[in-house]
Parts: sequence; structure tokens; C-alpha cells
Amino acid sequence: DGGITQSPKYLFRKEGQNVTLSCEQNLNHDAMYWYRQDPGQGLRLIYYSQIVNDFQKGDIAEGYSVSREKKESFPLTVTSAQKNPTAFYLCASSGGGNEKLFFGSGTQLSVL
Amino acid sequence: GENVEQHPSTLSVQEGDSAVIKCTYSDSASNYFPWYKQELGKGPQLIIDIRSNVGEKKDQRIAVTLNKTAKHFSLHITETQPEDSAVYFCAANDYKLSFGAGTTVTVRA
Repeated sequence: DGGITQSPKYLFRKEGQNVTLSCEQNLNHDAMYWYRQDPGQGLRLIYYSQIVNDFQKGDIAEGYSVSREKKESFPLTVTSAQKNPTAFYLCASSGGGNEKLFFGSGTQLSVL
Repeated sequence: GENVEQHPSTLSVQEGDSAVIKCTYSDSASNYFPWYKQELGKGPQLIIDIRSNVGEKKDQRIAVTLNKTAKHFSLHITETQPEDSAVYFCAANDYKLSFGAGTTVTVRA
């Protein structure tokens, strides 16, 4: 059953803590993306990767980091430098060309 | 970069009526315009898309129209049903997808 798996579904961060959100896909897609969603707002691009071992900053990359060591995996770390991390985080992948994105079911991150 | 504006932010319709959501974009180089549907607690799902060389596309009860000159595109849902209740996002693609802020559609039984 092909798709994108995000885990965990809910995550809580303590002050000063880094947390990592997992994203795995078995669609054999080259491109992967991380978006942040806040209530009443559209999706804002954090980071994207068009190919393994390469990634670029999106519109709101400050306070976040990523890695792309495997084609299937694109984890996102929310660092302590991100002062307002509470949001719904969505991972997506595409076969290329920034089109026809397939999204995971999201991770809700909250601050304790 | 691309700027996508979406209206209305909320839309309530009677079951069986039509729903229309409108988006405008700023970058005339954008050439791909998808629409996504997001149900509560889930990720968005692509429901229909259109390219800049096409003016209209239909898929059963949903249709999308594109006016390149005016730089706007619209989603039309006919014969709405309760399962159409969701948040709908438009997007436009220059070198990356830029999303509108979303429209919460509620279909009243």
C-alpha cells in the first residue's frame, strides 16, 4: 500500500528541546517537502529536497533543519531556535516538477 | 515570488446547492493550478488540477476554470453532499507550489 507515513501523530516539546518529526514514503518519489500549517492560514514551505543528499530552504526555514540521506526518508528537526513551534506539520512527496503532491496525515506539535 | 489569494474564507451551502471558491495569483509565469481537499486531522488530497494551456476541466461534480489574462481560477462543486464538507486549498506553481489560505466549506443537510 503506497503512501507517506508521518510519525508521531502528536508530539510535545519542552522549552529548549529539539524534536524530530519522521516522514517516510514508499512511492519512489524523488522530491519531498515539509510544510507548516497554522489555523486559518495556508501551507507554508519549510524545506524541500529534489534529490537524495540535497535540500533547499523554503519560505520559513529558520529554526528548522532537515536531512535527506535516503530517498524514502526526509526527517524534520524543530530546534530550540524555533520560538513558536506549535503547528500542524505536513510532509509531502512528488514524482518531480513540484506537481501532484501527495501528503502524509500530519504531525501536531505542541509546546508544554 | 508567487502570491495566491483565496476567497471566501468560509462558505456554508445547503445540500444539493453549488459551491464556488475563487483564487487569484500574481506571477504570470505560473502554469499549474491544483486544488486540494483537507478533512479534519488529515493531510490535503489533490482533487483536481489544471494547466495554463487549458481553460476548464471537469471531473464528475467538480470543475475548475482558469482565466490566464485575469490571473484567476475557480473551483466549482455541484450538487453538494455532506461529505464535501472540508477545507479546500488552491495553489499555483512557478518554481514551487504556493498555497492560498483555504476555504472552510460546510454543507448543511
